[in-house]
Amino acid sequence: AQSVAQPEDQVNVAEGNPLTVKCTYSVSGNPYLFWYVQYPNRGLQFLLKYITGDNLVKGSYGFEAEFNKSQTSFHLKKPSALVSDSALYFCAVRQAGTALIFGKGTTLSVSS
Amino acid sequence: GAVVSQHPSRVICKSGTSVKIECRSLDFQATTMFWYRQFPKQSLMLMATSNEGSKATYEQGVEKDKFLINHASLTLSTLTVTSAHPEDSSFYICSASGQQIAKNIQYFGAGTRLSVL
Repeated sequence: AQSVAQPEDQVNVAEGNPLTVKCTYSVSGNPYLFWYVQYPNRGLQFLLKYITGDNLVKGSYGFEAEFNKSQTSFHLKKPSALVSDSALYFCAVRQAGTALIFGKGTTLSVSS
Repeated sequence: GAVVSQHPSRVICKSGTSVKIECRSLDFQATTMFWYRQFPKQSLMLMATSNEGSKATYEQGVEKDKFLINHASLTLSTLTVTSAHPEDSSFYICSASGQQIAKNIQYFGAGTRLSVL
């Protein structure tokens, strides 16, 4: 069975500092990995994905994520956080032809 | 990018009534649509997957007679919550993927907040 773990309920970071939101996954076969962001009372916005190729994936709004097969991780990173990055972030995994399975989400709070 | 429109954004209804939520892909053909349910401060739980022209596949524990899903065209899927009760109050989100611009990505609607009185 597929599963995604986001070990942190909340991540707090000061504006301008680097941020990391952690994600580990469990799936048989090759995973398709995704990060989405959700603002209050809104749907999810796609940030980035890893399907194959380069382990470092760059996405929207300056975010990037690194696929680490040995550690089964796909942590989301940004070199310099903005207050406007404050939101709920979801890591998700799927295999070809299946629906996304989401982690429980991590609330990112960026203080000015 | 691919745009998914979901309507209505919010609905309040009386217990026992039925509510229909629409999900449309505006600029691509959505061969597959997904319906999720999200409780406050929790993750999205997949309810069902529907392929155009086929019956939806429901996840374990989701009542198919309660949550009717129709995917009659490549751009429209509907979720009908039948005989809604207060415990059905939740945030419902649809997503869609296709073979063209959304091949490996699910694009999401803005969600529908259902409140059953």
